[in-house]
Amino acid sequence: DADVTQTPRNRITKTGKRIMLECSQTKGHDRMYWYRQDPGLGLRLIYYSFDVKDINKGEISDGYSVSRQAQAKFSLSLESAIPNQTALYFCATSDLTGTGAYEQYFGPGTRLTVT
Amino acid sequence: AQTVTQSQPEMSVQEAETVTLSCTYDTSENNYYLFWYKQPPSRQMILVIRQEAYKQQNATENRFSVNFQKAAKSFSLKISDSQLGDTAMYFCAFMKEDYKLSFGAGTTVTVRA
Repeated sequence: DADVTQTPRNRITKTGKRIMLECSQTKGHDRMYWYRQDPGLGLRLIYYSFDVKDINKGEISDGYSVSRQAQAKFSLSLESAIPNQTALYFCATSDLTGTGAYEQYFGPGTRLTVT
Repeated sequence: AQTVTQSQPEMSVQEAETVTLSCTYDTSENNYYLFWYKQPPSRQMILVIRQEAYKQQNATENRFSVNFQKAAKSFSLKISDSQLGDTAMYFCAFMKEDYKLSFGAGTTVTVRA
């Protein structure tokens, strides 16, 4: 079984709809991250969380919100989806200390299309 | 955000040959980490290799090796004995001690049979 899972894997939604992307991990990591990937731009950090009570904005947080429901779960919400939020979204996790703190493990990604 | 530049959008290499991907970055930090990630058509992000800035020795993982030039802020990836399974997009990434990754735009590598 995969250590980092994302649901759904693919989603098509309409402009103005609220949508939630979910991430779960069995690695026991404290740190979790949400990125979006756009062609020609690489991956950009949306939000990150270093423990259940810690939530931080990343480079491109406008239009997004997150919830850290438990150590293993980190959800990304688009309150009112717009077409330029069409992208590939990745969740990632990393350990809290030691060399593992510098290695992030990625989920399989969610392809989101906003029409 | 840190700037990571990959100047080669696409590269093609014959099977069993060697290909080198370039990456430069901009930072005023002294302690940081550099990574190469591979993204095959399955879109899974796979860590290929990691380099700590305080280490002078270049990292190597099987057929993958890096040339880390700290003063030049350069971090290239060499893939030796290329295999068809190496066909993927490769991302260079930078991390300060804040544990946040900054990625380059990626280089698509196609290995020809």
